[in-house]
Amino acid sequence: AQKVTQAQTEISVVEKEDVTLDCVYETRDTTYYLFWYKQPPSGELVFLIRRNSFDEQNEISGRYSWNFQKSTSSFNFTITASQVVDSAVYFCAPLSGAGSYQLTFGKGTKLSVIP
Amino acid sequence: DTEVTQTPKHLVMGMTNKKSLKCEQHMGHRAMYWYKQKAKKPPELMFVYSYEKLSINESVPSRFSPECPNSSLLNLHLHALQPEDSALYLCASSLTLITGVAKNIQYFGAGTRLSVL
Repeated sequence: AQKVTQAQTEISVVEKEDVTLDCVYETRDTTYYLFWYKQPPSGELVFLIRRNSFDEQNEISGRYSWNFQKSTSSFNFTITASQVVDSAVYFCAPLSGAGSYQLTFGKGTKLSVIP
Repeated sequence: DTEVTQTPKHLVMGMTNKKSLKCEQHMGHRAMYWYKQKAKKPPELMFVYSYEKLSINESVPSRFSPECPNSSLLNLHLHALQPEDSALYLCASSLTLITGVAKNIQYFGAGTRLSVL
């Protein structure tokens, strides 16, 4: 069985604070892919990152960074110096198994950045 | 360019109406998807097309009828909908269905907000 958990339902931070969004993916598959998407109030799902299960290197892109630890099944996402425009719902979405096409979205974490 | 265009942005329809949602991409992607998203919930997969052929129908009621006239266009025909069908309908596309292909990422449109009265 596969299970994706985003335990944080809603988070509020003050602008310029750092914030980390948690995602835990439990699976018996050895090959899988993990995605993060952002959904601002406008509705569009914006792709942020895709990682492979065999690549545990952390990644930084501007104010965004991702920490993937296979041993704990966690794929966490950190926003440094948050801005109001970061306010959105963030979804962690694993895609598991060779040949699989179906993204399974977590329940999402709503981030509110207060000016 | 990673743009998926959906029209209309908003749609209000009665339960006896027939309407269509349209999705277009010009990225050369050969896989296209319809998702349904209820308020405060994650998106749920409805249909998947691969090379203009329906690959997956996730047990969606027949009042939703997808169509893929060509590799750039995906339609969702709506007929005799129920108020509980009110939701955000999202279209996505990806290079192929093959997961292991590098850069095979699903790109989403902005969605159509549907209200059924």
